[in-house]
Amino acid sequence: EVQVVESGGGLVQTGGSLRLSCAASGFTFSSSGMSWVRQAPGKGLEWVSSISSSGGITSYADSVRGRLTISRDNSKNTLSLEMNSLRAEDTAVYYCAKRAVTDRGWYYFDCWGQGTLVIVSS
Amino acid sequence: QSVLTQPPSVSGAPGQRVSISCTGSSSDIGAGYDVHWYQQVPGTAPKLLIYANNNRPSGVPDRFSGSKSGTSASLAITGLQAEDEADYYCETYDSSLSGSVFGGGTKLTVL
Repeated sequence: EVQVVESGGGLVQTGGSLRLSCAASGFTFSSSGMSWVRQAPGKGLEWVSSISSSGGITSYADSVRGRLTISRDNSKNTLSLEMNSLRAEDTAVYYCAKRAVTDRGWYYFDCWGQGTLVIVSS
Repeated sequence: QSVLTQPPSVSGAPGQRVSISCTGSSSDIGAGYDVHWYQQVPGTAPKLLIYANNNRPSGVPDRFSGSKSGTSASLAITGLQAEDEADYYCETYDSSLSGSVFGGGTKLTVL
């Protein structure tokens, strides 16, 4: 069964740091691009960051660029999100999502984890 | 404010057909990027419903279908069932933002 499981969420002070992890199983992790998508309480989905299968290509939403860093360890089938200089508006459930590719080369999210909640408060 | 525009809510009686629109621009849907749809039952993670405009993953009933034209896309649900009550999101790539973008979501209520 294809599965991704997030961990590492919690309560952190404004300006603080947190590291999220995502453990993948049931598919060839090293061949799959991965992403983080977040959802603030009562709000819609927001793409945060993506990383290529090798880890060599990363991309970020403008709202997090320079503060959040995506990385992966293909030897451990693990995706990470290092979060620094956290703000109240970063409060959200963070979902790890596996990326798939359409026939025309465009990405979509075909497997989602259950999410981990990050609360940023002063 | 989301890049892709969806109606906040739609509703229908069991057995009826509903449609959810997703309107974008020349830098996303209009640029030719594929549109994907996700279903999120309250309190659970999103689930892939439609990919590449009109393709259903294994296990998704054929009551769900997608289409795309110009700068817009639509999700249609026929034979509404109580279990279809959820939030629905469209998603695509935006070249001006160099990343994925989602619609604001549409809450489907089955009357």
